[in-house]
Formats: sequence, C-alpha cells, structure tokens
Amino acid sequence: DTGVSQNPRHKITKRGQNVTFRCDPISEHNRLYWYRQTLGQGPEFLTYFQNEAQLEKSRLLSDRFSAERPKGSFSTLEIQRTEQGDSAMYLCASDILGEQFFGPGTRLTVL
Amino acid sequence: GDSVTQMEGPVTLSEEAFLTINCTYTATGYPSLFWYVQYPGEGLQLLLKATKADDKGSNKGFEATYRKETTSFHLEKGSVQVSDSAVYFCALSDHWGSGGSNYKLTFGKGTLLTVNP
Repeated sequence: DTGVSQNPRHKITKRGQNVTFRCDPISEHNRLYWYRQTLGQGPEFLTYFQNEAQLEKSRLLSDRFSAERPKGSFSTLEIQRTEQGDSAMYLCASDILGEQFFGPGTRLTVL
Repeated sequence: GDSVTQMEGPVTLSEEAFLTINCTYTATGYPSLFWYVQYPGEGLQLLLKATKADDKGSNKGFEATYRKETTSFHLEKGSVQVSDSAVYFCALSDHWGSGGSNYKLTFGKGTLLTVNP
C-alpha cells in the first residue's frame, strides 16, 4: 500500500501524560500537513512541513504541541501534558502538486 | 480569514433521488475549491476539485461548479446510491498553484448523507 499511513490508529491516555503520533507520507511527496478533527467539525490545520522545514504553525498549536519531520520523510506530532480538550482525531496529509492525500488518522482519547 | 460554510445535515434521501449540498466560502485571494468524502471507517478522500472561476469538477457522477459571483461550490448528483452514504466536506485552499506555498485546506463542518434503499 503506497498511501499515507499513521500510527497508532487509537491512543487512550491519562490527563498529564505525553503522547507521540507518527505519520508516513507518500514517499515522493515533499509537503506534509497535520490537522485536528473534533466530533462534528471539519479538520482544522495545525502545521505544515516542506521537506524537513516546518514553515507554518496554527494558533491551535499550543506550546504543548511539537512536530518534527527529520530528513523530510516521516513526521511525528508530540503532545505534552495532555488535557481532555486534546481528545480528537489527528490527521496527516501529504501532497506534491497541491492535491492532499490523507491518512486514516490517530484517534486520541484523554481520560 | 478564510472560511467555508456548508449546509447542515444530516441529509437523508432515497436511492435515485437528486442530491444538492450547498457550500459557500469566504477567502482573501483566489482559492481553489474541493469536495472531500469520508466513508464510514475510512480516511478523507478527494472527490473533486475546481481551481478557477467557472470550472466544473466532476467525479463518480458528482459535480460542482466554481461560482465566483456567488462564492459558492454546491455539490450535486443526479441519482444517489446507497454506497454514496458518507460525510461530505467542502474545503478551500488559498495558495493553489503559487509554487512552493502552503496548500493548507480550510474545511466546512461536513454534511452527513444517508441514502436508503
């Protein structure tokens, strides 16, 4: 399968714990995006990488959130000191010609 | 800032009925417009797109026309099937084609479509 993959698919954690998600984009895609989707809403942009450079971050990305894309390949999104309000689906997408391909998402539940 | 407003759901139709899901947008530039679909248990998939005014995007029997004068991109299908049951998202990207830019998407809230046999 050559689509965008995300791991884990589901994560349940306790408030205050740190979590990390991984996204593997389509191999030739140089742009990678993270979005967050809460129940009943459309996805909201979090951050964007072109190759290994993080070029834009949304105001939604508080200082508890950090994202990396070492070597311009896979990306990780870490949330420190999770809060119940962080419960959401975290989506990753990649594109090369402006058409974004989405992964299946990681559903985070913070208890 | 950019925003997308799409018709509230849920929408329930019988098989072979005509579908319209309204979508209007606000953007500072000249956005490209998209419809994405999310089938139950699956990720978001691009359904169709239009990159400039008066363009019509089409795929799988669905169509939408980019109307700059009314800032709209309504989704239509002449005869829906049970397999079309899904959540449909209208979205815009304000940086299409500008080379090296961030093509981030701004989404509407989604419309749940249920088609009954």
